[in-house]
Amino acid sequence: NAGVTQTPKFQVLKTGQSMTLQCAQDMNHEYMSWYRQDPGMGLRLIHYSVGAGITDQGEVPNGYNVSRSTTEDFPLRLLSAAPSQTSVYFCASSYNTQGAEKLFFGSGTQLSVL
Amino acid sequence: GDSVTQMEGPVTLSEEAFLTINCTYTATGYPSLFWYVQYPGEGLQLLLKATKADDKGSNKGFEATYRKETTSFHLEKGSVQVSDSAVYFCALSEYNFNKFYFGSGTKLNVKP
Repeated sequence: NAGVTQTPKFQVLKTGQSMTLQCAQDMNHEYMSWYRQDPGMGLRLIHYSVGAGITDQGEVPNGYNVSRSTTEDFPLRLLSAAPSQTSVYFCASSYNTQGAEKLFFGSGTQLSVL
Repeated sequence: GDSVTQMEGPVTLSEEAFLTINCTYTATGYPSLFWYVQYPGEGLQLLLKATKADDKGSNKGFEATYRKETTSFHLEKGSVQVSDSAVYFCALSEYNFNKFYFGSGTKLNVKP
């Protein structure tokens, strides 16, 4: 059972470049989300989705774009990378949005923007 | 708004020592509370949870009790092992609010 799969694991970008971080889950989860993890700041929610075709902003959405065309996939797009977006990015999913369900996390993408 | 505050680390203990990691929260409603653990190079994984006041979550020797009167969810373990070395995150989620809020994480180092 693959769970939540993120690609790539590592990426180096130059300022201004764009890229897409991929996230896929095979658990038929309704809820998917993206977090960034920065030292001393824990995890901060970027965007989330409660089902195919539905997305919404989290705490730190600026500079990022998402879409949810299928239940399985939830890509995160960096439109024009900036050094402030250097971080570790985690995708997480959950069966539903009832609040008591646990999140399943991918193994993360370490992104450096030069 | 909702938030989670947890003690800063790193916390360094000797094997078999008692562990407490403090966590307090602010929430508008009646949240579920979680502890997640992150081992080096991996994503977070659920350690334990509690969904209502006075519930005790437990797993792998770790425990935490949901205290509504003190808005706390402190993580405890009676005897830590080297393999418990990791970063521990306290988190909350409110029913149908579609968002999880995480603390800043506490790194635990256990020495043999």
